[in-house]
Amino acid sequence: EDQVTQSPEALRLQEGESSSLNCSYTVSGLRGLFWYRQDPGKGPEFLFTLYSAGEEKEKERLKATLTKKESFLHITAPKPEDSATYLCAVQGAGAGSYQLTFGKGTKLSVIP
Amino acid sequence: KAGVTQTPRYLIKTRGQQVTLSCSPISGHRSVSWYQQTPGQGLQFLFEYFSETQRNKGNFPGRFSGRQFSNSRSEMNVSTLELGDSALYLCASSQDGKGYTFGSGTRLTVV
Repeated sequence: EDQVTQSPEALRLQEGESSSLNCSYTVSGLRGLFWYRQDPGKGPEFLFTLYSAGEEKEKERLKATLTKKESFLHITAPKPEDSATYLCAVQGAGAGSYQLTFGKGTKLSVIP
Repeated sequence: KAGVTQTPRYLIKTRGQQVTLSCSPISGHRSVSWYQQTPGQGLQFLFEYFSETQRNKGNFPGRFSGRQFSNSRSEMNVSTLELGDSALYLCASSQDGKGYTFGSGTRLTVV
């Protein structure tokens, strides 16, 4: 059974204070690891897909990295508009290859 | 390019009733997945359809069912509603199974 654990559950940062969010996973054959951002009352918004260990992707102040056991979402010099819940999900290659298994998310608050 | 459209946005139902939620995927996307999101459990997979066939089903009771039409639009149905079914129901569409775009969801409240 695929499993995803995200830490910390909540994170408060001062504007400009860089940090990282962690996503640890176990999966039977990784087809993809996904990062989403979710604002209150809205659906998840796609950020990145990573496919293999060593892969990195960047978008504005966000950078996602992947190892064989975990992924990190690095936030550089965050702004208040980066406040949201960040979700990590994996897609395995086994019987459940057409579903995403999500972590509980990290709620990020960026204080001006 | 229109996104994933879910209707209605909000629903209030009474215990014991049934409800049908609708999802229109991005044009050209043939895969539609459904998820339930609650504060305690997070996002949990319900089922996935591709070309009108259910390919995967999550660990939910038989009260939860779905279907997909020939135009890729999908519906999910929950019968005999319970208080614990109150949640945000999210639909996601995909073209090739490598990326999933979510709709804004339907907020279901069971009273």
